[in-house]
Amino acid sequence: DAGVTQSPTHLIKTRGQHVTLRCSPISGHKSVSWYQQVLGQGPQFIFQYYEKEERGRGNFPDRFSARQFPNYSSELNVNALLLGDSALYLCASSSGPVGQGALSGKLFFGSGTQLSVL
Amino acid sequence: QKEVEQNSGPLSVPEGAIASLNCTYSDRGSQSFFWYRQYSGKSPELIMFIYSNGDKEDGRFTAQLNKASQYVSLLIRDSQPSDSATYLCAVRGGSQGNLIFGKGTKLSVKP
Repeated sequence: DAGVTQSPTHLIKTRGQHVTLRCSPISGHKSVSWYQQVLGQGPQFIFQYYEKEERGRGNFPDRFSARQFPNYSSELNVNALLLGDSALYLCASSSGPVGQGALSGKLFFGSGTQLSVL
Repeated sequence: QKEVEQNSGPLSVPEGAIASLNCTYSDRGSQSFFWYRQYSGKSPELIMFIYSNGDKEDGRFTAQLNKASQYVSLLIRDSQPSDSATYLCAVRGGSQGNLIFGKGTKLSVKP
């Protein structure tokens, strides 16, 4: 079975531009979460979607937005890019909504999109 | 601000030794605790989770939880060079139930 797939793997943008990152969860998983990982730090929660509804939002500005499609794939959009947005963006899928049940919180991460903002 | 604290290391142990990785968390209401392993340039991979006080063993890995002390640890027995990686402690916290990660501890196992 395919794992979590993310595209693109690497991306170089300039300040002020817009970026769209894509993620396909593991087959059968209905929850997708997005995390930002700056070099030397742990992943930081951005969004969680379950059954196409936003279930959680981290402490990120409104320049960050996301959505989940009927096939449970997801997009993360970042507008007006800043140098500080340079990071590894990780998508994770889980079988249930994080926050409920014993199985939740067991995240399966994709390989990430390395975003560089120049 | 809910926090998860880890010693960033690096923690260096000889091959065959026990590696002990520690984590503390600030939210006393946290219920679920996870250890992820992240090789350099790769994404995190779940290796252990624990919900109840005490020890949980899986192969060479043992997770230990002490909710009264707000302390989680991961023991790796018979450490191998292939265990060299950054180990991320994560706590499921808050009303949203998202994972809060520590900065990770870099482990180096020397042959």
